[in-house]
Amino acid sequence: DSGVTQTPKHLITATGQRVTLRCSPRSGDLSVYWYQQSLDQGLQFLIHYYNGEERAKGNILERFSAQQFPDLHSELNLSSLELGDSALYFCASSVVQGETEAFFGQGTRLTVV
Amino acid sequence: QQPVQSPQAVILREGEDAVINCSSSKALYSVHWYRQKHGEAPVFLMILLKGGEQKGHEKISASFNEKKQQSSLYLTASQLSYSGTYFCGTVPSGSARQLTFGSGTQLTVLP
Repeated sequence: DSGVTQTPKHLITATGQRVTLRCSPRSGDLSVYWYQQSLDQGLQFLIHYYNGEERAKGNILERFSAQQFPDLHSELNLSSLELGDSALYFCASSVVQGETEAFFGQGTRLTVV
Repeated sequence: QQPVQSPQAVILREGEDAVINCSSSKALYSVHWYRQKHGEAPVFLMILLKGGEQKGHEKISASFNEKKQQSSLYLTASQLSYSGTYFCGTVPSGSARQLTFGSGTQLTVLP
């Protein structure tokens, strides 16, 4: 158990819908990263938050947005869902940015039908 | 920009050695190595901060050449449990400390 909690574990939804994925980082971790992993593919960096502020954006679609709340949990919002959005979405947390290990949650498997 | 990993795939016999390489076009602050088993979350192996140090973890070690922005992961006397996909992650120097991963190296260890 990495200490990072992601909910829900599985999500099945229809095209055009909107979903929210939630991530609770390890206690004391200020950094949260979001990644998308399509079937048997690599980890695509989406966005990074540090202590409530957005610090970096990767290849994140305009239909996707995220935020980190004062209690440091983070949410990833995916809207106008398409079949191609089906993937495993991971969040990872670390104490500081880039110089300590990042611990991954178990992921949310999103299936868009 | 994501780092480049090579090779894409490696097949070994138990007890053999392997090297996985990772390179970046950007100046790096740190390099991270992770292993992912199918359907599971990536698991942290080690982190190397700039300074050219080499780190070890049992029979798995890594080096980081800061000048060349390259890192290598060394697996010696591989075990069946080493099978999985290995990802290198890089954090660039500067204020934007995003952790970006390469496309992964699929390692298969056969008995």
